[in-house]
Amino acid sequence: AQTVTQSQPEMSVQEAETVTLSCTYDTSESDYYLFWYKQPPSRQMILVIRQEAYKQQNATENRFSVNFQKAAKSFSLKISDSQLGDAAMYFCAYRSAMDSSYKLIFGSGTRLLVRP
Amino acid sequence: EPEVTQTPSHQVTQMGQEVILRCVPISNHLYFYWYRQILGQKVEFLVSFYNNEISEKSEIFDDQFSVERPDGSNFTLKIRSTKLEDSAMYFCASSSLQGFGQTQYFGPGTRLLVL
Repeated sequence: AQTVTQSQPEMSVQEAETVTLSCTYDTSESDYYLFWYKQPPSRQMILVIRQEAYKQQNATENRFSVNFQKAAKSFSLKISDSQLGDAAMYFCAYRSAMDSSYKLIFGSGTRLLVRP
Repeated sequence: EPEVTQTPSHQVTQMGQEVILRCVPISNHLYFYWYRQILGQKVEFLVSFYNNEISEKSEIFDDQFSVERPDGSNFTLKIRSTKLEDSAMYFCASSSLQGFGQTQYFGPGTRLLVL
């Protein structure tokens, strides 16, 4: 069974600085999708960025980018120019390309604090 | 921008009572999901639903749980006889048949408290 591990329960960053959140996963599959979701205090899950495993190019969405290392099974999220509104829980998630249920497997989350 | 909606936002119930959580997925989506998140824990998959039947369910989704798409727009999760440990945030999500990795879009959640 696939697992997703987020080893940093909490991270802190100064406003306008850059922070990297770590995520590793375990799978025997070669084709899959990876996601980062943000959960602000309102607790709604908001998609931040996504990556297809067969694409070598790292995904980028404005200030958010990923460092996808397939061989190392690592999928870290970099937030540049951090803003106060970035403060939230961040969840890494895995989705098999083979599983017809398309279910997401989540990590335990990293709480990001942004210091003004 | 289309979004997933859920009602109610909060629900308090007594142990042993039945609850129905409602979701309206994005209109052109065909895959529907329920997840739950116990306070302070990770988000856990409960069930996926496609073509009016369950695609997969987790071990959490026992006989006390059921899902239904009663009409063309709603997707419901029923808990027949609630237990204290059912207290959690319940998220509905939907995804389209096409598109990037069938990205799932989440609703705002229903916070269920069982007393």
